[in-house]
Amino acid sequence: DAGVTQSPTHLIKTRGQHVTLRCSPISGHKSVSWYQQVLGQGPQFIFQYYEKEERGRGNFPDRFSARQFPNYSSELNVNALLLGDSALYLCASSLGGRQPQHFGDGTRLSIL
Amino acid sequence: AQTVTQSQPEMSVQEAETVTLSCTYDTSESNYYLFWYKQPPSRQMILVIRQEAYKQQNATENRFSVNFQKAAKSFSLKISDSQLGDTAMYFCAFMKPLGTSGSRLTFGEGTQLTVNP
Repeated sequence: DAGVTQSPTHLIKTRGQHVTLRCSPISGHKSVSWYQQVLGQGPQFIFQYYEKEERGRGNFPDRFSARQFPNYSSELNVNALLLGDSALYLCASSLGGRQPQHFGDGTRLSIL
Repeated sequence: AQTVTQSQPEMSVQEAETVTLSCTYDTSESNYYLFWYKQPPSRQMILVIRQEAYKQQNATENRFSVNFQKAAKSFSLKISDSQLGDTAMYFCAFMKPLGTSGSRLTFGEGTQLTVNP
């Protein structure tokens, strides 16, 4: 069975640009979460979606937004990119609620 | 807000020996879950073991086991018979349920474990 898949694997942008990251959950999983992992640190929670509705939001500015589609895949959008947005962006899926989250390989975003 | 602390930035162990990674957390929640994830250089976060806070019994998964001390808010990971493939960054994580279908993970800063031949 396919795990969580993320695209692209690596992306280079410049300050002020916009970026869209994509995530496909494990088949049957209805929950998708997004995390930002800055080099040398643990991941930080950005968003969680379940059944296309936002169920949780971390302490990130409004430049960060996300959505979940009817097939449970998800997009993370970041506007007006800053140098500090350079990080590994991880997507995780789960059956929801108290079930463990399973992660994809991440998208490495570099801002020049 | 929950916090997770891993006080050992780096650890090393000889192959076949046992190593214990420490984790403490702070929360006012009574219903929560704790996890250990490993992140090898390939960067995928892999679930190692899970502990429900309401369970007294410590979780075990093959060579991996935890020592969960709820009153002390401590959650350490013991790796027995260490293997070269265990070399990775290990993250302790706290999960807070958000209503019926939501949850969020709070991670520690990680412990880089190196297994030496």
